[in-house]
Amino acid sequence: NAGVTQTPKFRVLKTGQSMTLLCAQDMNHEYMYWYRQDPGMGLRLIHYSVGEGTTAKGEVPDGYNVSRLKKQNFLLGLESAAPSQTSVYFCASRGSGANVLTFGAGSRLTVL
Amino acid sequence: AQSVTQLDSHVSVSEGTPVLLRCNYSSSYSPSLFWYVQHPNKGLQLLLKYTSAATLVKGINGFEAEFKKSETSFHLTKPSAHMSDAAEYFCVVTVKAAGNKLTFGGGTRVLVKP
Repeated sequence: NAGVTQTPKFRVLKTGQSMTLLCAQDMNHEYMYWYRQDPGMGLRLIHYSVGEGTTAKGEVPDGYNVSRLKKQNFLLGLESAAPSQTSVYFCASRGSGANVLTFGAGSRLTVL
Repeated sequence: AQSVTQLDSHVSVSEGTPVLLRCNYSSSYSPSLFWYVQHPNKGLQLLLKYTSAATLVKGINGFEAEFKKSETSFHLTKPSAHMSDAAEYFCVVTVKAAGNKLTFGGGTRVLVKP
């Protein structure tokens, strides 16, 4: 049982490049989340999904897009990366009756 | 609206001495409160949670936290620090009435000295 798996774990981009982070969970969870973690700011919610085919904006959605075409996958896209998007990104999921999140190990993104 | 403040960004303790990590919250409704731990280069792991049952909550690895409504606090303690406790700790608040949106504190980084 892998839980929540994020790929890639590390990536370096140049300003203006695009990329997609993939989150996969094998727990049949309804809810999935993308957070970014920056020093001293805790985790901030970028986008989330309450089920397959649905997405919603979080606190800091600008510059990101997401898709949830399959229940087990939640993709986070950066269409035109900026240095301000240098961060560690965490995916998390939870079941519909729970309020405890299961986190992935994180994806460290550097934008030069 | 809900918010959470971790009062110390860094805490340094000696191995074998007590650990205290302070967390204050603000919420218009009855909250659920959590502590998560993040070891270097790892994801966040749940330490313990409070969901309106017993106010003293015991978690993994010898940690516990006490919910004090009058002080709007949920401080995390451990009687005796171990080297493996060196990590970053996050206090989190969520409210069912607000759709279970989670709000994270800024984190407290714990250093354990031998």
